[in-house]
Amino acid sequence: GAVVSQHPSRVICKSGTSVKIECRSLDFQATTMFWYRQFPKQSLMLMATSNEGSKATYEQGVEKDKFLINHASLTLSTLTVTSAHPEDSSFYICSASYGMGNQPQHFGDGTRLSIL
Amino acid sequence: KQEVTQIPAALSVPEGENLVLNCSFTDSAIYNLQWFRQDPGKGLTSLLLIQSSQREQTSGRLNASLDKSSGRSTLYIAASQPGDSATYLCAVIDDSGGSNYKLTFGKGTLLTVNP
Repeated sequence: GAVVSQHPSRVICKSGTSVKIECRSLDFQATTMFWYRQFPKQSLMLMATSNEGSKATYEQGVEKDKFLINHASLTLSTLTVTSAHPEDSSFYICSASYGMGNQPQHFGDGTRLSIL
Repeated sequence: KQEVTQIPAALSVPEGENLVLNCSFTDSAIYNLQWFRQDPGKGLTSLLLIQSSQREQTSGRLNASLDKSSGRSTLYIAASQPGDSATYLCAVIDDSGGSNYKLTFGKGTLLTVNP
């Protein structure tokens, strides 16, 4: 149980393109979804937290106009990287939780984004 | 600001060996602590979650301990196998009392178990 599906797994595109990444909870209702970014050999860094039906809460230093997050339902959240540039190339991972902090976060398999 | 450190950064052991991975955190006011496994190019698999009131959790060959007051956790892997090779991440959720609970991760320990 508690499966999170993230799509696509890999994206390669030209600079200036906008890229949408989907995160779905397949067998549970995700009260909260989290988006992380991971650079090579670095920790996962939280970008934003979203609750279904509410605006996302962004971490300091993360541009909300650059990384658009929509959490329209209890099973789907999307991250759109707008006008992507090479420095946005990274590994993006989502997670979903069906409760508060006493419930584990379940992670997707990540999306490798490469901007040429 | 919470900081999580994992030592060692990399570890290579022969198959069958018992091993310990270490995690320390700077702010002891945590809600819980989790250990994850990450395979190359993949997402994270939760291994063990320890609530702040607990001292250890066990799952199969894995045992995680928590000493909240000293800001330390260890992950013990018994009888290691080549399939255990992965990066192991430690993460904490601060007891901030807020409505959202955010994980702060360490950089991980890259474990290689040699046949």
